[in-house]
Amino acid sequence: EAGVTQFPSHSVIEKGQTVTLRCDPISGHDNLYWYRRVMGKEIKFLLHFVKESKQDESGMPNNRFLAERTGGTYSTLKVQPAELEDSGVYFCASSQDLLSEQFFGPGTRLTVL
Amino acid sequence: AQSVTQLGSHVSVSEGALVLLRCNYSSSVPPYLFWYVQYPNQGLQLLLKYTSAATLVKGINGFEAEFKKSETSFHLTKPSAHMSDAAEYFCAVSLYNFNKFYFGSGTKLNVKP
Repeated sequence: EAGVTQFPSHSVIEKGQTVTLRCDPISGHDNLYWYRRVMGKEIKFLLHFVKESKQDESGMPNNRFLAERTGGTYSTLKVQPAELEDSGVYFCASSQDLLSEQFFGPGTRLTVL
Repeated sequence: AQSVTQLGSHVSVSEGALVLLRCNYSSSVPPYLFWYVQYPNQGLQLLLKYTSAATLVKGINGFEAEFKKSETSFHLTKPSAHMSDAAEYFCAVSLYNFNKFYFGSGTKLNVKP
């Protein structure tokens, strides 16, 4: 069974540009989470989807970040316009239900120059 | 509020030596505690979890951790390090089992031959 996949693995963009990160969860997993690790610091929660609905988006830094999960399958995280402090590794995780293990993807490393 | 502190961003041990990675937590309610490992270019993988059952938790690859409420600690240990244990380790706390993790900043373990 395929694990959680993320695309791209790396992205280098200039300040002010737009970037869209994609996460494909494990098939059948209703719960999808986004996390971010900035500059070797702690991994921070961004938001949580249950199917296509945003259950908790308390960790989203500001309105330059937009997450979607149309149809309850894959999810995208758009940063527009990107700022230098957005650089980091963005992780996606999925789980079958709220009491089940979260499985993490390998992350997307975003560098904003 | 929930938070996790991992003492030591880098730990180096010799092959065969004891591994001790430290984690202290802060939680307003009885916590769920986790250790994850990240190997290069891979996603985070669950090592073990504490969910209010036995205070000594055994995980995969010979790792174990002990929940000490009086010390608010959940240190990870392995009696004998193997070269394949070289990775980054993250301690995490959540209010509800497997939901919305609060991670520490990670500890990179280096194993010397």
